[in-house]
Amino acid sequence: GENVEQHPSTLSVQEGDSAVIKCTYSDSASNYFPWYKQELGKRPQLIIDIRSNVGEKKDQRIAVTLNKTAKHFSLHITETQPEDSAVYFCAPRRGQIKAAGNKLTFGGGTRVLVKP
Amino acid sequence: GAGVSQSPSNKVTEKGKDVELRCDPISGHTALYWYRQSLGQGLEFLIYFQGNSAPDKSGLPSDRFSAERTGGSVSTLTIQRTQQEDSAVYLCASSLARWSSYNEQFFGPGTRLTVL
Repeated sequence: GENVEQHPSTLSVQEGDSAVIKCTYSDSASNYFPWYKQELGKRPQLIIDIRSNVGEKKDQRIAVTLNKTAKHFSLHITETQPEDSAVYFCAPRRGQIKAAGNKLTFGGGTRVLVKP
Repeated sequence: GAGVSQSPSNKVTEKGKDVELRCDPISGHTALYWYRQSLGQGLEFLIYFQGNSAPDKSGLPSDRFSAERTGGSVSTLTIQRTQQEDSAVYLCASSLARWSSYNEQFFGPGTRLTVL
């Protein structure tokens, strides 16, 4: 199965600074790369995803970049705000359901704290 | 529309008792997943249902854990003879399951299980 690692496990940044979280994976057939955000006491929610035919995707202050050769992808948050404080999870996988089911192997999570 | 719902939201039980956790997926979602999240930890996959196919039970930690999905909708996760290490938040998620498609998973609010 997929082996997924996230770094760092915790990240503390000053409000307004940028935050970057890296996710490495082992399955070279993975072609779908989502990031989930889980605020304290709440459920995980998808915030951005990217497919293997694209190297970068942006949505306002967040972006995801993909390096398929090196088998890693990263979440970038710019101009961080206190509401960005949460745990972020990556979950790379084979996207098509007929390939290998649709279950997710999550990274261990990165706890981001944005200090005002 | 209504999201994924789970009940109960909290469950406190004594060691050795059986518990049942319920998940109501989003209407029309044929894929349903159960995950476990221990305090401050990542998401651990437990079991996956897809339509009428045999469930993927590869993540169940022991034979004390079982799950059913009746009528392709509601699912029940049963833990028999609970142990203290079963204490965690149990999350359910559902998704559409179109062939050759990338399907976002929508999570329920979770059931916090405490085994005394």
